[in-house]
Amino acid sequence: GESVGLHLPTLSVQEGDNSIINCAYSNSASDYFIWYKQESGKGPQFIIDIRSNMDKRQGQRVTVLLNKTVKHLSLQIAATQPGDSAVYFCAEGGAAGNKLTFGGGTRVLVKP
Amino acid sequence: EPEVTQTPSHQVTQMGQEVILRCVPISNHLYFYWYRQILGQKVEFLVSFYNNEISEKSEIFDDQFSVERPDGSNFTLKIRSTKLEDSAMYFCAGENRGRGNIQYFGAGTRLSVL
Repeated sequence: GESVGLHLPTLSVQEGDNSIINCAYSNSASDYFIWYKQESGKGPQFIIDIRSNMDKRQGQRVTVLLNKTVKHLSLQIAATQPGDSAVYFCAEGGAAGNKLTFGGGTRVLVKP
Repeated sequence: EPEVTQTPSHQVTQMGQEVILRCVPISNHLYFYWYRQILGQKVEFLVSFYNNEISEKSEIFDDQFSVERPDGSNFTLKIRSTKLEDSAMYFCAGENRGRGNIQYFGAGTRLSVL
């Protein structure tokens, strides 16, 4: 069935280094993707999104890359900080009003 | 900055009891959602709500579940007869009609069914 999933359950990264979180999706018709960050005891927090007509989008210290050929999505965090420690989810969506289908999550641990 | 607020933060109930989880979405949002997250698992869609109607629901959202937006502000999720497996974090989310499908989530209600 259709699914959105993650390759790495836990990523340990040194403070100041860059982090890369990966996500695979199986529905080739997917046209919209979002990355969320979830800190302990909180709800998912929007980070960045990308439409399928783009292959890269940049935000503040974050970049999302989309490779439609291999149905792969990644989130890059530049100069990772302790406050970046959280679980990161990719999610597949669509037009406004559509449900989000979440992947399994990757935990990022930032070492000082 | 406006937020989605959910109450209570933690609800403990006995199996078979009814619970109502409450959400106050951001005022200019048009689409509303409930999701749940069983401990250690991914976030799962339950139901979406637009124009005072359910627009989509998942297999999880059976006849024990219902949603209401009774007064134009509060958005509630009711579970009529809770089961042990209903124990989870329940998240409310809202969305405006704008770019993309960005949903803003509340902090969640932890439901513990004993």
